[in-house]
Amino acid sequence: EPEVTQTPSHQVTQMGQEVILRCVPISNHLYFYWYRQILGQKVEFLVSFYNNEISEKSEIFDDQFSVERPDGSNFTLKIRSTKLEDSAMYFCASSDGLASYYEQYFGPGTRLTVT
Amino acid sequence: AQKVTQAQTEISVVEKEDVTLDCVYETRDTTYYLFWYKQPPSGELVFLIRRNSFDEQNEISGRYSWNFQKSTSSFNFTITASQVVDSAVYFCALVSGSARQLTFGSGTQLTVLP
Repeated sequence: EPEVTQTPSHQVTQMGQEVILRCVPISNHLYFYWYRQILGQKVEFLVSFYNNEISEKSEIFDDQFSVERPDGSNFTLKIRSTKLEDSAMYFCASSDGLASYYEQYFGPGTRLTVT
Repeated sequence: AQKVTQAQTEISVVEKEDVTLDCVYETRDTTYYLFWYKQPPSGELVFLIRRNSFDEQNEISGRYSWNFQKSTSSFNFTITASQVVDSAVYFCALVSGSARQLTFGSGTQLTVLP
């Protein structure tokens, strides 16, 4: 069964460093998402991406964040200058339709630890 | 604005007991979709069910059942004859109107004891 994959599974970085989190969505999916989950808290939406541009973003997704689909398979989230509060699990998701009812399939997550 | 409330932070049951996880949602849109996701200790998010706002029919899938009531804005999830493998955090989520972002509740940690 096709699945969303994410690398790395765990990333440790120092405050102020740039990190790139990578995702490979399910191959025929059209919509891509990033969510984050601070330890013990709820999952929060960051950004959605369709047709090579951002379609929605939350207040969390400020200028420190960017997303890119550099080729036909990868979808990346870049945090330019990490802060301690960026420590969280980051989930990538994809869906195969434009309508909002299409379920989003989540990857296993990347645990980002900022020290 | 949309909101999902899961008032039960933690529930603990003994194996084979039935358990209901509550979910209350808020939205001004007439078209919306409700979801349940399971997050086992390994951390991934597993899709369980989707329900749209026009379909109040309850659904059963094996030991799982869902009760959607628009009158009380609730979408509750029942596990019948719980098993240890059901131990996980369960999230209720909402997609509302034309937006595609999922709004999650805070989750309910279910522990099923042997």
